[in-house]
Amino acid sequence: GQSLEQPSEVTAVEGAIVQINCTYQTSGFYGLSWYQQHDGGAPTFLSYNALDGLEETGRFSSFLSRSDSYGYLLLQELQMKDSASYFCAVREFLETNAGKSTFGDGTTLTVKP
Amino acid sequence: DAGVTQSPTHLIKTRGQHVTLRCSPISGHKSVSWYQQVLGQGPQFIFQYYEKEERGRGNFPDRFSARQFPNYSSELNVNALLLGDSALYLCASSLTSLLAGGYNEQFFGPGTRLTVL
Repeated sequence: GQSLEQPSEVTAVEGAIVQINCTYQTSGFYGLSWYQQHDGGAPTFLSYNALDGLEETGRFSSFLSRSDSYGYLLLQELQMKDSASYFCAVREFLETNAGKSTFGDGTTLTVKP
Repeated sequence: DAGVTQSPTHLIKTRGQHVTLRCSPISGHKSVSWYQQVLGQGPQFIFQYYEKEERGRGNFPDRFSARQFPNYSSELNVNALLLGDSALYLCASSLTSLLAGGYNEQFFGPGTRLTVL
């Protein structure tokens, strides 16, 4: 089966840096993605790692280590609007030549002034 | 460009009833996936359809079914509703079925909030 673990809650102050970790166990893995979801809203794609290393997109960076089955999302220069839930999701191959995303239960980030 | 649209936005049903949820993907996207998100949890994969064929199915009972139409829109049907089916149902579209990231990323609609009483 597949399982992902990430912290349930993280709190930080404006302007700070926060790291949200994700460990996973899965078969047919081919990538790790991160999504942001505000209360009542749709998940919004943030980043995707298919290979080991760091991917940077503005204030957000994501890291993957396939050998350690581990990744993290790094948020820099935190803003109040970054308060949201963050999900890691494993991409898996299906026999039908398709992909499937399995999501973690999310990390609620609270940014304080 | 219009994003993924879903209808209705909210729905209240009683146990035993059935429900049909609708999704229109981003123009040009041929793959639609359905997810169920219970409060406090991440989205759970239900189905993926590509070119009108089912390409993936999650661990959901046969009460859940779906189909994709020639214009790539999709319907999710749930029969014999249970209280535990209360959730946010999300539709996501992508260019192809492989979800390889980048241009082939999946984009979520706003969801349908289903309440079963």
